[in-house]
Amino acid sequence: EPEVTQTPSHQVTQMGQEVILRCVPISNHLYFYWYRQILGQKVEFLVSFYNNEISEKSEIFDDQFSVERPDGSNFTLKIRSTKLEDSAMYFCASNLAGGGKNIQYFGAGTRLSVL
Amino acid sequence: AQTVTQSQPEMSVQEAETVTLSCTYDTSENNYYLFWYKQPPSRQMILVIRQEAYKQQNATENRFSVNFQKAAKSFSLKISDSQLGDTAMYFCAFMKHDRGGADGLTFGKGTHLIIQP
Repeated sequence: EPEVTQTPSHQVTQMGQEVILRCVPISNHLYFYWYRQILGQKVEFLVSFYNNEISEKSEIFDDQFSVERPDGSNFTLKIRSTKLEDSAMYFCASNLAGGGKNIQYFGAGTRLSVL
Repeated sequence: AQTVTQSQPEMSVQEAETVTLSCTYDTSENNYYLFWYKQPPSRQMILVIRQEAYKQQNATENRFSVNFQKAAKSFSLKISDSQLGDTAMYFCAFMKHDRGGADGLTFGKGTHLIIQP
């Protein structure tokens, strides 16, 4: 069964460094998303992406964040200058969004640790 | 803005029992989707069940069923014949319907369900 793939599973970085989290969505899906989950807290929406542009973003998704679909398969989240509070689990999701389905399928997540 | 409230931080039941997890939400939207996701210790988010607000019939998926009360803005999850593998965090989530897939999910804080042997 097709699945969303995220790499790496765990990323450790120093404060102030740039990180890129990578995702391969399900191949025929049209919408892509990033969410984050700080340890012990609820999952929070960051951004949605469709047709090579941002569709929707939350207040969390400030200028430090950017997303890109650099080729036909990858979808990336870049954090420009990481802060301690960026430490969290980051989930990618994808959605076919047609035919009334509208189901978001999640990857296994990337745990980001900022030291 | 939408809000999702899960009032039970933790629940514990014996294996084979039935358990109900509660979820309420607040929205001014008329058409939307509701979901339950399961997050086991591996922290992967797994879809359990989905409900479309315009459908009055409650969704079921094998041992999982929902009680959707639109007027009360309530969306509870019932797990029948609970199994050890059901131990996980369960998140209730809301998604608007009107913009295709553009909108993100709004999640509740989760209920930690423990199935005791």
